[in-house]
Amino acid sequence: KAGVTQTPRYLIKTRGQQVTLSCSPISGHRSVSWYQQTPGQGLQFLFEYFSETQRNKGNFPGRFSGRQFSNSRSEMNVSTLELGDSALYLCASSLARRLAGGDSYNEQFFGPGTRLTVL
Amino acid sequence: DAKTTQPNSMESNEEEPVHLPCNHSTISGTDYIHWYRQLPSQGPEYVIHGLTSNVNNRMASLAIAEDRKSSTLILHRATLRDAAVYYCILRDVDNTGKLIFGQGTTLQVKP
Repeated sequence: KAGVTQTPRYLIKTRGQQVTLSCSPISGHRSVSWYQQTPGQGLQFLFEYFSETQRNKGNFPGRFSGRQFSNSRSEMNVSTLELGDSALYLCASSLARRLAGGDSYNEQFFGPGTRLTVL
Repeated sequence: DAKTTQPNSMESNEEEPVHLPCNHSTISGTDYIHWYRQLPSQGPEYVIHGLTSNVNNRMASLAIAEDRKSSTLILHRATLRDAAVYYCILRDVDNTGKLIFGQGTTLQVKP
C-alpha cells in the first residue's frame, strides 16, 4: 500500500510570497494533520482535517490555512511568507476510527515532508 | 494537553537492550501513552501505545507504571537503525489527529 506522499519535496520562496503544499494520504485514511518542524521549536501541530472539516487547530497565525478535498487529499497554504516560516512541513494521515472499548485506531502515518526555504 | 519529560539524549551499544524513560505525572485517566520515533531525514513513525497494561509489538515493548505517572519504552536489542529521536506523547482518546511533540530523546547506538 502506498504511503503518504507530499509535493513538492523542496521549495524556495521569497518573503511576502505565498505557497501551497500538497498531501495525499494513505488510501482509506480520513484524517490528515499538518506539522511544522524547525530546529528551534521542534515538531509543532498546525491543524487536522477530517471529512473536509478542520477538526483541530494549533497555535499558528491566520497566514497558515488548509483544506481537505472529498478524496481526503489536503493542501496547506502559507500567505505572506516570513523568514521564520522556513521549515520542514510534515503531513500525517490516519484512519481515525474508534474501536470498541474506547481505544481509537488512529496511528499517524507521516509523509517525507516538504522542505520550505524562505529567502 | 498533559506534558511529558524525557532525557535529552541516551547512548546504547548495538545488540544491547535500551530503556527509554518518560515521566508524565499529570496524566489524566483518558490519556493514552504513545511513542513515535524519527529517523534521520524522515518523518516520525509510530512505535507503540498503551493505556494501563504493558504492551508488546514487533518493534518494542512499553512498560507502564502502576500509577501511570511514568512509562518506559524498551528496545530489546538495539541496532544501528534504531538511532533516532524518540518521542513520548500523551493523547486523549478523542484527540485523534493531534500529536503534541516534546523535545524527545536522541538515541545514539554505538557499534
